[in-house]
Amino acid sequence: DVKVTQSSRYLVKRTGEKVFLECVQDMDHENMFWYRQDPGLGLRLIYFSYDVKMKEKGDIPEGYSVSREKKERFSLILESASTNQTSMYLCASSLYAGAGYEQYFGPGTRLTVT
Amino acid sequence: DQQVKQNSPSLSVQEGRISILNCDYTNSMFDYFLWYKKYPAEGPTFLISISSIKDKNEDGRFTVFLNKSAKHLSLHIVPSQPGDSAVYFCAASARNQGGKLIFGQGTELSVKP
Repeated sequence: DVKVTQSSRYLVKRTGEKVFLECVQDMDHENMFWYRQDPGLGLRLIYFSYDVKMKEKGDIPEGYSVSREKKERFSLILESASTNQTSMYLCASSLYAGAGYEQYFGPGTRLTVT
Repeated sequence: DQQVKQNSPSLSVQEGRISILNCDYTNSMFDYFLWYKKYPAEGPTFLISISSIKDKNEDGRFTVFLNKSAKHLSLHIVPSQPGDSAVYFCAASARNQGGKLIFGQGTELSVKP
C-alpha cells in the first residue's frame, strides 16, 4: 500500500512566522503535489513536482514555495504566514505524470495562523 | 473560474436507497475523471474513475456515468450505507496538462439509518 505521511496533523503559528510542512511518500513515486482545502472551494493545487529539484506552480502559488531535494520528500514553505493561509493542507503523490494516474493523499495538516 | 463544479454542497439519503452525486465541467480537453471520498481528519481516497472514451464504469456498489456532450458526470451508490457518509470530490485531468487534477468543491453525503 502506498503511504503518504505529513509531519504534523495540527499546527498553530503566528502571523509572520516561517512555516514548513513536510511530506514523505514511500512508493518511489515520480510526482508529488501540495493542495489546500477550504470549505466551498474544494482542493486547490498550490505547487507540484515531477522530479527531484523540479517544481511547477499550481493554481494558487502566491505566498508559498516548495523544495524537493529527495524523491520521497516534498516540502511546502510559507515564507511569512498570514491569517488567510489558515487551511487544511494536503500532500499527494502519483506514480507517473499524465491523465489516468490516481493520486494518493496524506492525512492532511490543519494549519491555523493567528 | 471553476472548471469543475459540484453544485450540491450536501445530500441526504436513506440507508438502502440510491445516492446520486453530480459533477459538471467546462473544459472539453478533460479526458479522465475521478471520484475521491474524504472522511473528516483524513486525506481523500480514490474511489472510481472513468476515461472519456467510456460512458460508464462500475465497481461494486459504485457506478460513474459520463455524458460528454453535456459535460456532466455522476456517481451512483447503490445501495447506500451509513459508512458512505463522507465528502465526495469529483476531479478531472487532461493529457496535455501533465496529470494535474482539477477538483470540484465537494458534496457532503449523509446516509441515514
